[in-house]
Amino acid sequence: AQKITQTQPGMFVQEKEAVTLDCTYDTSDPSYGLFWYKQPSSGEMIFLIYQGSYDQQNATEGRYSLNFQKARKSANLVISASQLGDSAMYFCAMREGRMNYGQNFVFGPGTRLSVLP
Amino acid sequence: GAVVSQHPSRVICKSGTSVKIECRSLDFQATTMFWYRQFPKQSLMLMATSNEGSKATYEQGVEKDKFLINHASLTLSTLTVTSAHPEDSSFYICSAVGGHNRETQYFGPGTRLLVL
Repeated sequence: AQKITQTQPGMFVQEKEAVTLDCTYDTSDPSYGLFWYKQPSSGEMIFLIYQGSYDQQNATEGRYSLNFQKARKSANLVISASQLGDSAMYFCAMREGRMNYGQNFVFGPGTRLSVLP
Repeated sequence: GAVVSQHPSRVICKSGTSVKIECRSLDFQATTMFWYRQFPKQSLMLMATSNEGSKATYEQGVEKDKFLINHASLTLSTLTVTSAHPEDSSFYICSAVGGHNRETQYFGPGTRLLVL
């Protein structure tokens, strides 16, 4: 079974509008971390936002916020006031278990966001 | 902070040659580095986990003799693609964990390998 599901292979949004990118995850571990990364056409992976499974508040970083619904196992990324530079692939990722240096992430298949002028 | 560099950014080589890719954490010590491979329009596929001073842990299906990983110091890990073949052509990207934010993997800019 897929551990990370991103059901939207592609999304379009008008510049200056908000957009939500979906992510659902599957784990039986009570301790985990959820991440969103942006990958522009240059290929680099840019860290956007992190949410820990025990965090009470939804994470926010500037125009990015994470809508964390633990019971539904969803961790949607909300980008407010979209900009043309937001056009990129977006990956949701999960780290299972308590944090230590040796744990790898599981990545979702990604969503390609296109911001329209 | 949390800058990871990768070198080279692009490499073209002939079939049968070996290619070394370096991954460096520039402003923090990385006890663990990860190596990923990414095919066009696909997600990242973990190849191996590299811990400083110990042998790398390879994912199932990844040939350790083909993809040699050396994590020689807390700031440097290298991936050597030995006897490269055209099917090894791909985008290779590393990440590092460490520094003040131990939760997050910080990625290098990636290396595009083309084997002719």
